[in-house]
Amino acid sequence: QKEVEQNSGPLSVPEGAIASLNCTYSDRGSQSFFWYRQYSGKSPELIMSIYSNGDKEDGRFTAQLNKASQYVSLLIRDSQPSDSATYLCAVNIPSNTGKLIFGQGTTLQVKP
Amino acid sequence: EPEVTQTPSHQVTQMGQEVILRCVPISNHLYFYWYRQILGQKVEFLVSFYNNEISEKSEIFDDQFSVERPDGSNFTLKIRSTKLEDSAMYFCASSWGNTGELFFGEGSRLTVL
Repeated sequence: QKEVEQNSGPLSVPEGAIASLNCTYSDRGSQSFFWYRQYSGKSPELIMSIYSNGDKEDGRFTAQLNKASQYVSLLIRDSQPSDSATYLCAVNIPSNTGKLIFGQGTTLQVKP
Repeated sequence: EPEVTQTPSHQVTQMGQEVILRCVPISNHLYFYWYRQILGQKVEFLVSFYNNEISEKSEIFDDQFSVERPDGSNFTLKIRSTKLEDSAMYFCASSWGNTGELFFGEGSRLTVL
Protein backbone atom coordinates (compact mmCIF):
# COMPACT_ATOMS: atom_id res chain seq x y z
CA GLN A 1 0.00 0.00 0.00
CA LYS A 2 1.42 3.32 -1.07
CA GLU A 3 1.43 5.68 1.90
CA VAL A 4 1.99 9.33 2.62
CA GLU A 5 2.55 10.15 6.28
CA GLN A 6 2.24 13.44 8.11
CA ASN A 7 2.10 14.43 11.74
CA SER A 8 -1.50 15.52 12.28
CA GLY A 9 -0.51 18.22 14.78
CA PRO A 10 -1.71 20.72 15.66
CA LEU A 11 1.47 22.65 15.05
CA SER A 12 1.27 25.96 16.83
CA VAL A 13 3.60 28.84 15.96
CA PRO A 14 3.54 32.54 16.84
CA GLU A 15 2.83 35.11 14.17
CA GLY A 16 5.99 35.96 12.24
CA ALA A 17 7.72 32.67 12.97
CA ILE A 18 8.73 29.94 10.51
CA ALA A 19 6.38 26.98 10.34
CA SER A 20 7.94 23.69 9.25
CA LEU A 21 5.68 20.93 7.97
CA ASN A 22 6.99 17.47 7.17
CA CYS A 23 5.90 14.52 5.08
CA THR A 24 7.30 11.09 4.26
CA TYR A 25 6.24 8.76 1.50
CA SER A 26 6.67 5.05 0.95
CA ASP A 27 6.96 4.65 -2.83
CA ARG A 28 10.57 5.18 -3.81
CA GLY A 29 9.53 5.55 -7.45
CA SER A 30 7.46 8.68 -6.78
CA GLN A 31 8.49 11.62 -8.91
CA SER A 32 6.09 14.47 -8.16
CA PHE A 33 5.08 15.99 -4.87
CA PHE A 34 2.50 18.56 -3.91
CA TRP A 35 1.41 20.68 -0.99
CA TYR A 36 -2.24 21.61 -0.74
CA ARG A 37 -3.81 23.89 1.83
CA GLN A 38 -7.28 23.12 3.17
CA TYR A 39 -9.15 25.61 5.32
CA SER A 40 -11.74 24.10 7.64
CA GLY A 41 -14.81 23.08 5.66
CA LYS A 42 -13.25 24.04 2.35
CA SER A 43 -11.62 22.25 -0.56
CA PRO A 44 -7.88 21.64 -1.06
CA GLU A 45 -5.97 24.41 -2.82
CA LEU A 46 -2.61 23.83 -4.47
CA ILE A 47 0.24 25.80 -2.90
CA MET A 48 3.39 24.20 -4.26
CA SER A 49 4.58 21.42 -6.49
CA ILE A 50 8.11 20.06 -6.47
CA TYR A 51 9.67 17.54 -8.81
CA SER A 52 13.44 17.71 -8.20
CA ASN A 53 15.63 17.26 -5.16
CA GLY A 54 16.40 20.48 -3.35
CA ASP A 55 14.46 23.62 -2.54
CA LYS A 56 11.77 25.47 -4.45
CA GLU A 57 10.70 28.89 -3.25
CA ASP A 58 7.49 30.77 -3.97
CA GLY A 59 6.98 33.89 -1.91
CA ARG A 60 6.83 32.95 1.77
CA PHE A 61 6.67 29.24 0.94
CA THR A 62 9.61 26.90 0.37
CA ALA A 63 9.18 23.26 -0.53
CA GLN A 64 12.08 20.89 0.09
CA LEU A 65 12.49 17.45 -1.44
CA ASN A 66 14.92 14.69 -0.53
CA LYS A 67 14.17 11.61 -2.62
CA ALA A 68 16.92 9.53 -1.01
CA SER A 69 15.25 9.99 2.38
CA GLN A 70 11.71 9.94 0.87
CA TYR A 71 10.99 13.20 2.61
CA VAL A 72 9.18 16.38 1.59
CA SER A 73 8.79 19.49 3.69
CA LEU A 74 7.10 22.86 3.49
CA LEU A 75 8.45 25.94 5.21
CA ILE A 76 6.25 28.97 5.72
CA ARG A 77 8.19 32.10 6.58
CA ASP A 78 6.69 35.05 8.42
CA SER A 79 3.63 32.97 9.35
CA GLN A 80 0.34 34.87 9.46
CA PRO A 81 -2.91 33.99 11.24
CA SER A 82 -4.42 33.56 7.75
CA ASP A 83 -2.01 30.65 7.22
CA SER A 84 -3.92 28.69 9.90
CA ALA A 85 -5.22 25.67 7.98
CA THR A 86 -4.54 22.00 7.36
CA TYR A 87 -1.64 21.36 4.99
CA LEU A 88 -1.93 18.25 2.87
CA CYS A 89 1.08 16.52 1.37
CA ALA A 90 0.30 14.57 -1.79
CA VAL A 91 2.14 12.30 -4.18
CA ASN A 92 0.90 11.18 -7.57
CA ILE A 93 1.02 7.44 -8.04
CA PRO A 94 1.58 6.48 -10.74
CA SER A 95 3.75 9.43 -11.69
CA ASN A 96 2.52 11.92 -14.26
CA THR A 97 -1.12 11.38 -13.45
CA GLY A 98 -3.72 13.24 -11.49
CA LYS A 99 -4.21 10.36 -9.12
CA LEU A 100 -2.98 11.77 -5.84
CA ILE A 101 -2.34 9.93 -2.61
CA PHE A 102 -2.85 12.40 0.22
CA GLY A 103 -1.47 12.39 3.72
CA GLN A 104 -3.83 13.00 6.60
CA GLY A 105 -2.66 16.61 6.81
CA THR A 106 -0.97 18.74 9.46
CA THR A 107 -3.08 21.36 11.16
CA LEU A 108 -1.20 24.64 11.56
CA GLN A 109 -2.28 27.26 14.07
CA VAL A 110 -0.62 30.67 13.83
CA LYS A 111 -1.24 32.67 16.99
CA PRO A 112 -1.29 36.48 16.85
CA GLU B 1 -10.47 33.61 -12.10
CA PRO B 2 -11.77 30.34 -13.58
CA GLU B 3 -13.08 27.86 -11.06
CA VAL B 4 -14.57 24.42 -10.74
CA THR B 5 -18.20 24.59 -9.68
CA GLN B 6 -20.17 21.81 -7.99
CA THR B 7 -23.83 21.25 -7.27
CA PRO B 8 -25.51 20.59 -4.96
CA SER B 9 -23.48 21.92 -2.06
CA HIS B 10 -25.29 19.56 0.30
CA GLN B 11 -27.56 16.61 -0.38
CA VAL B 12 -29.37 14.45 2.14
CA THR B 13 -30.67 11.11 0.89
CA GLN B 14 -32.06 7.86 2.18
CA MET B 15 -29.99 4.70 2.05
CA GLY B 16 -30.56 2.86 -1.21
CA GLN B 17 -31.44 5.96 -3.20
CA GLU B 18 -29.57 7.13 -6.29
CA VAL B 19 -27.60 10.36 -6.14
CA ILE B 20 -26.06 12.43 -8.92
CA LEU B 21 -23.41 15.00 -8.11
CA ARG B 22 -22.61 17.56 -10.76
CA CYS B 23 -19.49 19.45 -11.63
CA VAL B 24 -18.49 22.03 -14.20
CA PRO B 25 -14.71 21.84 -14.63
CA ILE B 26 -12.55 24.74 -15.78
CA SER B 27 -13.33 25.18 -19.46
CA ASN B 28 -9.94 24.48 -21.08
CA HIS B 29 -9.03 21.61 -18.76
CA LEU B 30 -8.78 18.14 -20.21
CA TYR B 31 -8.59 15.88 -17.14
CA PHE B 32 -11.35 15.47 -14.61
CA TYR B 33 -11.43 13.77 -11.23
CA TRP B 34 -13.60 12.87 -8.30
CA TYR B 35 -12.16 12.65 -4.82
CA ARG B 36 -13.94 12.21 -1.52
CA GLN B 37 -13.21 13.03 2.09
CA ILE B 38 -15.03 11.30 4.91
CA LEU B 39 -15.27 13.63 7.91
CA GLY B 40 -11.95 13.77 9.75
CA GLN B 41 -10.20 11.48 7.27
CA LYS B 42 -7.86 11.76 4.31
CA VAL B 43 -8.81 13.01 0.88
CA GLU B 44 -9.19 9.87 -1.25
CA PHE B 45 -8.98 9.43 -5.01
CA LEU B 46 -12.04 7.90 -6.67
CA VAL B 47 -11.67 8.22 -10.43
CA SER B 48 -9.97 10.11 -13.24
CA PHE B 49 -11.52 10.80 -16.64
CA TYR B 50 -9.91 11.84 -19.90
CA ASN B 51 -11.03 11.85 -23.50
CA ASN B 52 -14.51 10.66 -22.53
CA GLU B 53 -13.39 7.59 -20.68
CA ILE B 54 -12.20 6.53 -17.27
CA SER B 55 -8.40 6.55 -17.17
CA GLU B 56 -8.01 5.24 -13.64
CA LYS B 57 -10.21 4.29 -10.70
CA SER B 58 -9.63 3.29 -7.12
CA GLU B 59 -10.87 0.26 -5.20
CA ILE B 60 -13.56 2.51 -3.70
CA PHE B 61 -15.01 3.16 -7.15
CA ASP B 62 -17.00 -0.06 -7.42
CA ASP B 63 -20.01 -0.92 -9.56
CA GLN B 64 -22.33 1.39 -7.67
CA PHE B 65 -20.35 4.40 -8.92
CA SER B 66 -20.30 5.80 -12.44
CA VAL B 67 -19.12 8.98 -14.10
CA GLU B 68 -20.26 10.71 -17.22
CA ARG B 69 -19.54 13.79 -19.25
CA PRO B 70 -22.96 14.20 -20.85
CA ASP B 71 -22.11 17.40 -22.71
CA GLY B 72 -19.17 19.72 -23.25
CA SER B 73 -19.27 21.23 -19.81
CA ASN B 74 -20.72 18.96 -17.12
CA PHE B 75 -19.02 16.07 -15.37
CA THR B 76 -21.20 13.91 -13.12
CA LEU B 77 -20.73 11.29 -10.44
CA LYS B 78 -23.62 8.89 -9.93
CA ILE B 79 -23.99 6.67 -6.90
CA ARG B 80 -26.63 4.07 -7.76
CA SER B 81 -27.67 2.78 -4.36
CA THR B 82 -26.26 4.84 -1.55
CA LYS B 83 -24.96 3.32 1.66
CA LEU B 84 -24.41 4.92 5.04
CA GLU B 85 -20.65 4.78 4.48
CA ASP B 86 -20.99 6.90 1.32
CA SER B 87 -21.57 9.92 3.54
CA ALA B 88 -18.67 12.23 2.75
CA MET B 89 -17.63 15.41 1.02
CA TYR B 90 -17.19 14.73 -2.69
CA PHE B 91 -14.74 16.96 -4.51
CA CYS B 92 -14.57 17.39 -8.25
CA ALA B 93 -11.24 18.52 -9.66
CA SER B 94 -9.80 19.31 -13.05
CA SER B 95 -6.40 19.91 -14.59
CA TRP B 96 -5.05 21.02 -17.93
CA GLY B 97 -2.32 18.40 -18.02
CA ASN B 98 -1.92 14.94 -16.62
CA THR B 99 -0.19 16.11 -13.45
CA GLY B 100 -1.05 16.41 -9.81
CA GLU B 101 -1.67 20.15 -10.10
CA LEU B 102 -5.40 20.00 -9.60
CA PHE B 103 -8.05 22.65 -9.19
CA PHE B 104 -10.75 21.51 -6.77
CA GLY B 105 -14.36 22.57 -6.56
CA GLU B 106 -15.91 23.54 -3.24
CA GLY B 107 -17.37 20.10 -2.76
CA SER B 108 -20.75 18.44 -2.42
CA ARG B 109 -21.55 17.14 1.02
CA LEU B 110 -23.53 13.91 0.85
CA THR B 111 -25.37 12.70 3.93
CA VAL B 112 -26.92 9.24 3.72
CA LEU B 113 -29.52 8.45 6.38
